[in-house]
Amino acid sequence: GESVGLHLPTLSVQEGDNSIINCAYSNSASDYFIWYKQESGKGPQFIIDIRSNMDKRQGQRVTVLLNKTVKHLSLQIAATQPGDSAVYFCAETGGNEKLTFGTGTRLTIIP
Amino acid sequence: KAGVTQTPRYLIKTRGQQVTLSCSPISGHRSVSWYQQTPGQGLQFLFEYFSETQRNKGNFPGRFSGRQFSNSRSEMNVSTLELGDSALYLCASSLQRQDLIGYTFGSGTRLTVV
Repeated sequence: GESVGLHLPTLSVQEGDNSIINCAYSNSASDYFIWYKQESGKGPQFIIDIRSNMDKRQGQRVTVLLNKTVKHLSLQIAATQPGDSAVYFCAETGGNEKLTFGTGTRLTIIP
Repeated sequence: KAGVTQTPRYLIKTRGQQVTLSCSPISGHRSVSWYQQTPGQGLQFLFEYFSETQRNKGNFPGRFSGRQFSNSRSEMNVSTLELGDSALYLCASSLQRQDLIGYTFGSGTRLTVV
């Protein structure tokens, strides 16, 4: 079946460095992608989204890149801070109002 | 404004029992969706309710059911609990269907089946 997967389950980054979290998807009909951040004991929190007619979108300290050719998206976090430590999920939808989530990457910031 | 409220936060049940979880959406939100989160399977869509009607359903057995009330509050029920039902159950609400930017998750109910 269709799935959204992640290349790395864990990522450790030095405080102040940039982080890149990758995600692969398999559903060619996916037209909307979202990155979520989930901190311990909380539900996922929206970070940034991108539609399939775009290849890059920037937010505050975050950038999402979408490569439809290879069905890959990434989340770049600039100048990572201790508060960025969390599990990050990519999610996609093909317009059927339900999200398909990846398995998540745990980002740990090293002081 | 108050966020999405899920009760209870923690629950321990025995195999074979049933359980009901509650979700109060953000005021004014009419769409409520439920997800199951486990370490092995990640976040998986259970179902979505809008205007008291189930609009979308994931690939879960019939033991998983839900409903939505006229005030948009939603409950989900799991009957004949199995050990594998142990998970974090999350609900998310939004103003309308397809409002994924406004999709707000609660903190979840952690269910442990023993």
